[in-house]
Amino acid sequence: QKEVEQDPGPLSVPEGAIVSLNCTYSNSAFQYFMWYRQYSRKGPELLMYTYSSGNKEDGRFTAQVDKSSKYISLFIRDSQPSDSATYLCAMSSFSGGYQKVTFGTGTKLQVIP
Amino acid sequence: SAVISQKPSRDICQRGTSLTIQCQVDSQVTMMFWYRQQPGQSLTLIATANQGSEATYESGFVIDKFPISRPNLTFSTLTVSNMSPEDSSIYLCSVEGDRGLNEQFFGPGTRLTVL
Repeated sequence: QKEVEQDPGPLSVPEGAIVSLNCTYSNSAFQYFMWYRQYSRKGPELLMYTYSSGNKEDGRFTAQVDKSSKYISLFIRDSQPSDSATYLCAMSSFSGGYQKVTFGTGTKLQVIP
Repeated sequence: SAVISQKPSRDICQRGTSLTIQCQVDSQVTMMFWYRQQPGQSLTLIATANQGSEATYESGFVIDKFPISRPNLTFSTLTVSNMSPEDSSIYLCSVEGDRGLNEQFFGPGTRLTVL
C-alpha cells in the first residue's frame, strides 16, 4: 500500500465549478499537509499548507485535513481556466533530521471555458 | 521564496552516457533535495544534499548511479550515470523555505530522455 493515495484523474470541469481534490494516507506520523500546483513543464509550486485538522482558506482555495480519517482535500471555488494544472498533495514527517516530504501522484485538472 | 534555476532544461542522451544537472539558488540554503518525477508517478526523493557533507540517499538510489555535489550553499549538481531508457524522467531540485514551515520550493526541472 502506498503511503499516499491520490486519484490521478484527469478531472475536467466547466469554468465556475467547484472542484474537489482528495488524498488519503496511511502514515500516522505525517504532521504537515500541503498542496502543490504544477503547470505543464514547470516545477511544483506550493499552494496551501496546514498542520492541523480542520479547514484553511486562502481566496478561492480551501484545504481540509481530517487526521482521524487520514484524509485531506483541496476545494477550488469558482474555478478558472488558469487553474488547469496538476495538483499534488504532499505530507511530511520528521525523519533523519529533517522533514521528509511524501507526494501523491497528482490529479490533472482541466477547467473548460 | 527562493528562485531556483536548473540546467539543462532538457536533454536527449544515448544509453551508457552520463548527464550532470546543475541547480542554482538565488540565496544560501542549508539543504537541497533532488527528486525524480516519472510519468504517472509521484515525485520521488533521490537524495538530500547538505553543504560540506555527503549526500544522503533514499532507498533504491545509490551514489554510484546518482553522484551529487554540493560545493557551496547556493549550488548543487546531480549526475545520472551510465544511463538507460529507464532513467528517462524529469529531475527536479528543491530547497526548504526559510519560514520554518517545511515548505519546499522547486526548480523548473530537467526533462531527460535516454535512447
